[in-house]
Amino acid sequence: SQTIHQWPATLVQPVGSPLSLECTVEGTSNPNLYWYRQAAGRGLQLLFYSVGIGQISSEVPQNLSASRPQDRQFILSSKKLLLSDSGFYLCAWSVRTGWIYGYTFGSGTRLTVV
Amino acid sequence: KNQVEQSPQSLIILEGKNCTLQCNYTVSPFSNLRWYKQDTGRGPVSLTIMTFSENTKSNGRYTATLDADTKQSSLHITASQLSDSASYICVVRIGRKNAGNMLTFGGGTRLMVKP
Repeated sequence: SQTIHQWPATLVQPVGSPLSLECTVEGTSNPNLYWYRQAAGRGLQLLFYSVGIGQISSEVPQNLSASRPQDRQFILSSKKLLLSDSGFYLCAWSVRTGWIYGYTFGSGTRLTVV
Repeated sequence: KNQVEQSPQSLIILEGKNCTLQCNYTVSPFSNLRWYKQDTGRGPVSLTIMTFSENTKSNGRYTATLDADTKQSSLHITASQLSDSASYICVVRIGRKNAGNMLTFGGGTRLMVKP
């Protein structure tokens, strides 16, 4: 079966510290992978997407970066966290089935920068 | 500008009652519309996906409608249960072939079902 794992579930980090959030998928090959950030009461904002190993596209300029070292692994990083980086981060993957791209989301990481 | 607007922002209903959530969109070109359920602190889970030609689609107690002419969709929940308490997000996929920012998300409707 197709599953997506995202960790950690919650994280509290001091300002200026580094960040590494990891996402892995199982049961599929060559998926499109995404990192989203969700602000309370607002729609999900796409941060990065990847169509293959080493291929990263950024949607918005920010203090974050992403990497895809393996086909089913997607990492969100920061060298120095800012207070404004606090939020709920979601990893997702999509694979085309017939005419439809199905999107599956991870369980999310609640990041609090203090 | 591609936008998805949902109403109401929040809703409180009694267990066993029905409710309807609304979604209006201005996304073009349109590919499909999705409804997701998101429990607090969890990732969204897909309820339905509706293409241009589909007017109604059901998934258990959830029934989604789509009017592509007026660019409106609704999600009707029948005989609500306490476990229906969650945010419901309307998402529209743009009809393009690349893999980038294909989804436009609504801000969600926060539903609370009380006993």
